[in-house]
Amino acid sequence: AQSVTQPDIHITVSEGASLELRCNYSYGATPYLFWYVQSPGQGLQLLLKYFSGDTLVQGIKGFEAEFKRSQSSFNLRKPSVHWSDAAEYFCAVGANQAGTALIFGKGTTLSVSS
Amino acid sequence: KAGVTQTPRYLIKTRGQQVTLSCSPISGHRSVSWYQQTPGQGLQFLFEYFSETQRNKGNFPGRFSGRQFSNSRSEMNVSTLELGDSALYLCASSRGVFEETQYFGPGTRLLVL
Repeated sequence: AQSVTQPDIHITVSEGASLELRCNYSYGATPYLFWYVQSPGQGLQLLLKYFSGDTLVQGIKGFEAEFKRSQSSFNLRKPSVHWSDAAEYFCAVGANQAGTALIFGKGTTLSVSS
Repeated sequence: KAGVTQTPRYLIKTRGQQVTLSCSPISGHRSVSWYQQTPGQGLQFLFEYFSETQRNKGNFPGRFSGRQFSNSRSEMNVSTLELGDSALYLCASSRGVFEETQYFGPGTRLLVL
């Protein structure tokens, strides 16, 4: 069955430090992968996506992610975290050829300390 | 371009009642999907509509239903509400049916008492 695992429920990072959020997926075919961010009381905002091609994907707000097929991973990274990055982050895989019918991980809450 | 809009934003119902939530997709988008978000189960896919046809359905009971109109607007209905239906219901729209990006609305927060 298709699934997405985000091993870290909560991460605290100092402002200005680097960030890596982990995501592992289980999917039979070539996956469509996404990272979304959700601030309290808000909907989901797309950070970046991977459909095919270059395995290093650049997104908004300085985020990037790398697709590693051999490790079934799609980790999100940012070189320098800002206090405004504090939010909940969700990794998702598209369960069909459209990349829709998303299967989400449980999310990782990011706190930023000063 | 306006984003995905959902109405109402907040709703309080009692057990046994039914509820209808509305979603207006981004202009030009023909696919609408619905998701339920709860603290316990996280984000779960409900169903997806494209050109008024349901294309995919998640693992939810038949009390959850939806439809899409010719202008791509969508509604979802939950009948015989249970306490466990309290959740944030998110709608997302995309342009078509291949390699699409979904854009989410702000959600409707439903509280069942």
